[in-house]
Amino acid sequence: KAGVTQTPRYLIKTRGQQVTLSCSPISGHRSVSWYQQTPGQGLQFLFEYFSETQRNKGNFPGRFSGRQFSNSRSEMNVSTLELGDSALYLCASSFGLILRDNEQFFGPGTRLTVL
Amino acid sequence: AQSVTQPDIHITVSEGASLELRCNYSYGATPYLFWYVQSPGQGLQLLLKYFSGDTLVQGIKGFEAEFKRSQSSFNLRKPSVHWSDAAEYFCAVGGSGGSYIPTFGRGTSLIVHP
Repeated sequence: KAGVTQTPRYLIKTRGQQVTLSCSPISGHRSVSWYQQTPGQGLQFLFEYFSETQRNKGNFPGRFSGRQFSNSRSEMNVSTLELGDSALYLCASSFGLILRDNEQFFGPGTRLTVL
Repeated sequence: AQSVTQPDIHITVSEGASLELRCNYSYGATPYLFWYVQSPGQGLQLLLKYFSGDTLVQGIKGFEAEFKRSQSSFNLRKPSVHWSDAAEYFCAVGGSGGSYIPTFGRGTSLIVHP
């Protein structure tokens, strides 16, 4: 069974640009969550999508958005990039919503560098 | 609000030695606690989790953790460390306000000497 895949693995952008990251969940998983990992702030929850609807959202500005498609694949978009957006963006999938009995499986991440 | 503290940024052990990684949480009710491991270039992998019941939890790769409510701790242990255990370890807590979205600690980097 293939794991969670994220593309691209590495990305370099400049300030002010926008970027789209992609995540393909494990087959059969319907929930996709996104996390930002930085040395300064650690691992922080961005949002969770289930059945094409955002179900939970972390404390991030509106520049961060996402969507989920009918096949459960998800994309995350960051507009007007800032230097502080440089981070490892992790995607996680689970069978259902993030609940106590639904384990999240993480992808390898997309390393975004903003110059 | 829930929070997690991992007091040790780095820990160095010799291969074959025992390991204990510390985790302290702040949470009003019974927390849901997790330990994840992140190897270089890879995502997080769940080692073990605690929701209720037996306070000593067995996980994968020979790891275990003990929930101590009186100390607000959930320390991770392994009796004999292997070189392949070198990685970043994250403790996380969930369950606040009915949300199971985890709040992560800052992580502990484990270095294993041969």
